Amino acid sequence: NAGVTQTPKFQVLKTGQSMTLQCAQDMNHEYMSWYRQDPGMGLRLIHYSVGAGITDQGEVPNGYNVSRSTTEDFPLRLLSAAPSQTSVYFCASSLGRGFYGYTFGSGTRLTVV
Amino acid sequence: KQEVTQIPAALSVPEGENLVLNCSFTDSAIYNLQWFRQDPGKGLTSLLLIQSSQREQTSGRLNASLDKSSGRSTLYIAASQPGDSATYLCAVMNAGNNRKLIWGLGTSLAVNP
Repeated sequence: NAGVTQTPKFQVLKTGQSMTLQCAQDMNHEYMSWYRQDPGMGLRLIHYSVGAGITDQGEVPNGYNVSRSTTEDFPLRLLSAAPSQTSVYFCASSLGRGFYGYTFGSGTRLTVV
Repeated sequence: KQEVTQIPAALSVPEGENLVLNCSFTDSAIYNLQWFRQDPGKGLTSLLLIQSSQREQTSGRLNASLDKSSGRSTLYIAASQPGDSATYLCAVMNAGNNRKLIWGLGTSLAVNP
């Protein structure tokens, strides 16, 4: 099925561990982004990419890295997990930033203990 | 600074009612406004996208309006059904190079049979 695929769906990490959240889309969308969703704070943009090889920071980028080597994939790396990174993470893609709507993945629920 | 507010935070209605969800924003310089639906534990589904030059968009039983001058959008749901129960999120995209999405906290809707 066409769409945005995120893996894993659930993850528990210990403080200081690193991991990569995977995001893949098969719609040939240029724009991809990562959000975190926390109770009472809404969705906040972590990083985004307007095309392969181009990434930029959102409003809460600290502690996260991204790369975009292909149009399809946009992984999010947690360098050294902290309890403050406990959240639900969503990947989203769009044909272009602005005129088109967004397609979201089903999310990754991350707990850092 | 753009701020997006959704009122009410929660709404419970009997099946069959027509209802209105509200979204207000503080800066009228927007590129577009989008309404999303989020089911518990799931990702976000795009419902309607209204460009800044448009007044409304319709999809099935849903109708979204946009009044930039007053900084308001409404999502009208006709003949509500239990399957409409979800959280509805409003997101505004700022105009200009930033094109940042600013999110409301959502309205949690329960439609009772």
